[in-house]
Amino acid sequence: NAGVTQTPKFRILKIGQSMTLQCAQDMNHNYMYWYRQDPGMGLKLIYYSVGAGITDKGEVPNGYNVSRSTTEDFPLRLELAAPSQTSVYFCASIEKGPAGTQYFGPGTRLLVL
Amino acid sequence: GESVGLHLPTLSVQEGDNSIINCAYSNSASDYFIWYKQESGKGPQFIIDIRSNMDKRQGQRVTVLLNKTVKHLSLQIAATQPGDSAVYFCAENIVGTDKLIFGTGTRLQVFP
Repeated sequence: NAGVTQTPKFRILKIGQSMTLQCAQDMNHNYMYWYRQDPGMGLKLIYYSVGAGITDKGEVPNGYNVSRSTTEDFPLRLELAAPSQTSVYFCASIEKGPAGTQYFGPGTRLLVL
Repeated sequence: GESVGLHLPTLSVQEGDNSIINCAYSNSASDYFIWYKQESGKGPQFIIDIRSNMDKRQGQRVTVLLNKTVKHLSLQIAATQPGDSAVYFCAENIVGTDKLIFGTGTRLQVFP
C-alpha cells in the first residue's frame, strides 16, 4: 500500500489564484481529514469526511472547499488564495475515526505571495 | 472552551536519559488522547493513545499518563535516543465528535 499520498509537494501561488490540493489513500479508509500547520504551531482541522459524499467543517474552513466523490480521494480547493493561507497542508485518513491511528500524508507546502 | 496546550515548547535531554513531555487539556468531555511525533519535513506519526477510562498505558519505550483530575497528559520516553528528536503533539477527541484537536507541540532535542 502507498498509504496516504499528497500532490503537489510544494506550490507558490499569487494572491487571488486558485488551486486544488490532492489527497488519496489506498487503505479503504472511511474517514479523511485536512489539516493546516502554520510554522511552530499545531495542526488545525480544515475539513473532514466520514465517507464518500459526506463532508463537514473543522476549526478553520473559511477560504476552502472539499469534495468526497470516492472513498479514495479527498481534494481540498482554494478558490481565492490569500497570504494567510501560506502553510503546510496535511491530509490524513483512518479506517473508522477518530480513535486509532491516523495515517498522515507527507504534506503540501503552499506559499501565497 | 476547547483547547489543548503544552507547558514546555522545547525540551533538551541527554542521550540515555528519560524524557517527559507534558500536555494540558481543558475539555472534560474529551475521552480519547493521542501522542504524535513529527520529524522535520514529515507528517505526524502515531506514537501511543489512551482512553479516559485508563490512567496509564505503556508501549515500547514510551508511557502515557493521564490525570483526569487536573486534565493533564504526559508522554514519557525511556532511554532517549537521537532518533527521538522531533516535535511531539498531544491531541484530544471530544466524545461524540469525529475530530481531533491538536496542541501546539513540544520540540525534543537530544544531545550526546
